[in-house]
Amino acid sequence: KAGVTQTPRYLIKTRGQQVTLSCSPISGHRSVSWYQQTPGQGLQFLFEYFSETQRNKGNFPGRFSGRQFSNSRSEMNVSTLELGDSALYLCASSLWGALDNEQFFGPGTRLTVL
Amino acid sequence: QKEVEQNSGPLSVPEGAIASLNCTYSDRGSQSFFWYRQYSGKSPELIMFIYSNGDKEDGRFTAQLNKASQYVSLLIRDSQPSDSATYLCAVNGGSYIPTFGRGTSLIVHP
Repeated sequence: KAGVTQTPRYLIKTRGQQVTLSCSPISGHRSVSWYQQTPGQGLQFLFEYFSETQRNKGNFPGRFSGRQFSNSRSEMNVSTLELGDSALYLCASSLWGALDNEQFFGPGTRLTVL
Repeated sequence: QKEVEQNSGPLSVPEGAIASLNCTYSDRGSQSFFWYRQYSGKSPELIMFIYSNGDKEDGRFTAQLNKASQYVSLLIRDSQPSDSATYLCAVNGGSYIPTFGRGTSLIVHP
């Protein structure tokens, strides 16, 4: 069974630009969650999508948004990039939800904002 | 703000010893608790989850939960060098948002 895939793996952007990250969950998984990981703040929950609907949202500004398609693939968008957005962005998929059972994490997208 | 606290370590134990990792949380409404392992440069992988007070064992790993004292721990028996990693505690707070601790670095030396 294929694991969670994320594209691209690495990204370099400049301040003010926007970026879109993609996540393909494990086949059959309907929940996709997004996380930001930085050395200073650790792993922080961004939002979760289930069956194309945002189910939960963490404490991040509106510049961070996402969506999920009917095939459960998800995208995350960050607009007006700031230096502090440099981080590893991880997505995780699960059958029913981030808090109900096991999540499987993708390899992440390393975003660098210059 | 809901918090999950872990000692950052590093926790250094000899091979074959028991490693004890601890985590405290602030939200009394927390329902489920998870331990993840993250190797350097890799993504987290789930080791165990626990919902009820008491112990839950899986191979060399035992998770312990005490809701009254608001702590959850992970014991690793017969520690191996391959267990050297950062261990993340995650808690499902009453707001249904997963909150992660910053992790404890474990070093198992031969």
